This record gives sequence, C-alpha cells and structure tokens, in this order.
Amino acid sequence: EDQVTQSPEALRLQEGESSSLNCSYTVSGLRGLFWYRQDPGKGPEFLFTLYSAGEEKEKERLKATLTKKESFLHITAPKPEDSATYLCAVQSTGSSNTGKLIFGQGTTLQVKP
Amino acid sequence: KAGVTQTPRYLIKTRGQQVTLSCSPISGHRSVSWYQQTPGQGLQFLFEYFSETQRNKGNFPGRFSGRQFSNSRSEMNVSTLELGDSALYLCASAGDGPLGANVLTFGAGSRLTVL
Repeated sequence: EDQVTQSPEALRLQEGESSSLNCSYTVSGLRGLFWYRQDPGKGPEFLFTLYSAGEEKEKERLKATLTKKESFLHITAPKPEDSATYLCAVQSTGSSNTGKLIFGQGTTLQVKP
Repeated sequence: KAGVTQTPRYLIKTRGQQVTLSCSPISGHRSVSWYQQTPGQGLQFLFEYFSETQRNKGNFPGRFSGRQFSNSRSEMNVSTLELGDSALYLCASAGDGPLGANVLTFGAGSRLTVL
C-alpha cells in the first residue's frame, strides 16, 4: 500500500535558523513527488515536483531533494512568513489518473522573529 | 489567470441532511479532483473527474458522489450527513503536463460543519 510519512509533526525555529523537513514514502512506482505549502484557512499551494532520485529544485529559501525512499525540504535562513504547514504527496505509477495523490500528515512550521 | 473557485466557502448542516459543493477549475483544465481534509486523517482523495467521466474513486462510502459538466465545472454531493463528515473539502484541477505527473492546483476549500 502506498504510504507517506512526514517528520517532525511540528517544528519551531528562530528566524535565520536553517533546518530540514523529512518525507518518507513507500510506493509501488513513483510517478512524482510533490511539496505543497498550506496556510490556515487556505488550500495547499504548489511548491515543487520531483520525478527521480537525485533531483533537486530550489525556490527562494526552499530546496527540495529526492532519494529512492525519501525527500527533504531544506529551509535556509527562514523568515516568519515561512510559517505554514508543509505537505508532501506522491503519485504512483499504478494510479490510472493524474488527480490521485497520497498525502502525508504534514509538518507545521513556526518561525519566530 | 483565475484560480480554482469553490463555493460555498462555509456551510453548516445538521445530521441527515445532504449538501452539494461546487468547483470551477482553471480555464482549460479538464481534470478535477476532490479531497477531504480533517485534523485526524489529513488529506484524503475522494474522486477525480476527467471530461465528465469519473476516472478514479477513493475509499469513501457511496454517500459521497460527484459529477462533472461539459464546461469542466464539478459538483460533489454528500447525502445523509454524519458528524464525521465535518471537514474541509478541497477541489483541485490539473492540466496536461510533462512526464505524466500533473500539478494539482487547489481551491480555498469549502468548510462543512455538521451539527
């Protein structure tokens, strides 16, 4: 069964204190791994898609990496506006469509000034 | 361009009632998926529609149903509401993309409270 586990559940950082969020996945065949950001009361906002092990993508203070078993979201010198819940999701090659993602429970990040 | 629009944003129902939620996808997107988000279970896939046909369905009871119209707008319906149906219902649309893994763009959601 396809499964996604994120850790930690919650993370508190001081502004400027870099850290990483982990996403471990079990999937029959990986079509894509997605990172989303969700603010309270809003829908998830797309950040990155990773397709194969070794791939890396960056956007401002965020960098996502992918191995065969897990993905990391590295946050460099975070700011208070980076506070949000970060969601990891996978799409399996066994899925016959593009709309079915398996989500992890998310990591809630709080960055204090 | 306009994003995914969901209506209503908030609604309160009582047990036993039914509810219909609406979703307008991004123009040109033919795929619309629905998800249920709760604190305990997180985001769970309900179903996906593509060109008016249901392509896949998650593990939810038959009380949850949906449809898609020729203009790609979609509705989902929940009948005989239960307290456990209280959740944020999210709609997402996807266009054609490379490598078969299309990016889902989510709406803001419809917050359903069942009393």
